[in-house]
Amino acid sequence: DGGITQSPKYLFRKEGQNVTLSCEQNLNHDAMYWYRQDPGQGLRLIYYSQIVNDFQKGDIAEGYSVSREKKESFPLTVTSAQKNPTAFYLCATGTANSNQPQHFGDGTRLSIL
Amino acid sequence: QKEVEQNSGPLSVPEGAIASLNCTYSDRGSQSFFWYRQYSGKSPELIMFIYSNGDKEDGRFTAQLNKASQYVSLLIRDSQPSDSATYLCAAEMNRDDKIIFGKGTRLHILP
Repeated sequence: DGGITQSPKYLFRKEGQNVTLSCEQNLNHDAMYWYRQDPGQGLRLIYYSQIVNDFQKGDIAEGYSVSREKKESFPLTVTSAQKNPTAFYLCATGTANSNQPQHFGDGTRLSIL
Repeated sequence: QKEVEQNSGPLSVPEGAIASLNCTYSDRGSQSFFWYRQYSGKSPELIMFIYSNGDKEDGRFTAQLNKASQYVSLLIRDSQPSDSATYLCAAEMNRDDKIIFGKGTRLHILP
């Protein structure tokens, strides 16, 4: 989606390794979200942030960590504690008002080596 | 209890016909509803949103909302092969200010 950049597009993780997925936006949106999508499944919320230096756990936060030091950036770290990390990870942004739609980046596909 | 439910499909529709996609939601206080289209291997793309009971039209797409029955639908007129995708329904959850997504309906337009 224009204005939301996720990198890398593909990522491979070795056993015991932490990896960080990048999400940057220039839409001046206050809220940023991380979702996980497994084949044939809907989007599950991992973490979200509605303001700089603050974030909340979503439905499946275990094994993940985030930071929100800048409005434009919301990186997601998949830690070694996440035992089944293979999935499609989607970053979304929106206004802080959930009445407004969210817009998605192109996603990062993470696989285990 | 599932919060946003969709039939997973696949829903097969002949080219040129109307495709009808349905979604139900559990939070009676939800006010905002969204339809996203997701092509295989790609990220979701917003195609419609609706806040008020009734119909909202945008080109070949019409979103319908019935809050009393707690369902949302998406109609695609003059279906094209390029409409073949998974369609995700999403609803704002009034009680905790989040958006919840359904698992999506796979739509296949038959040439």
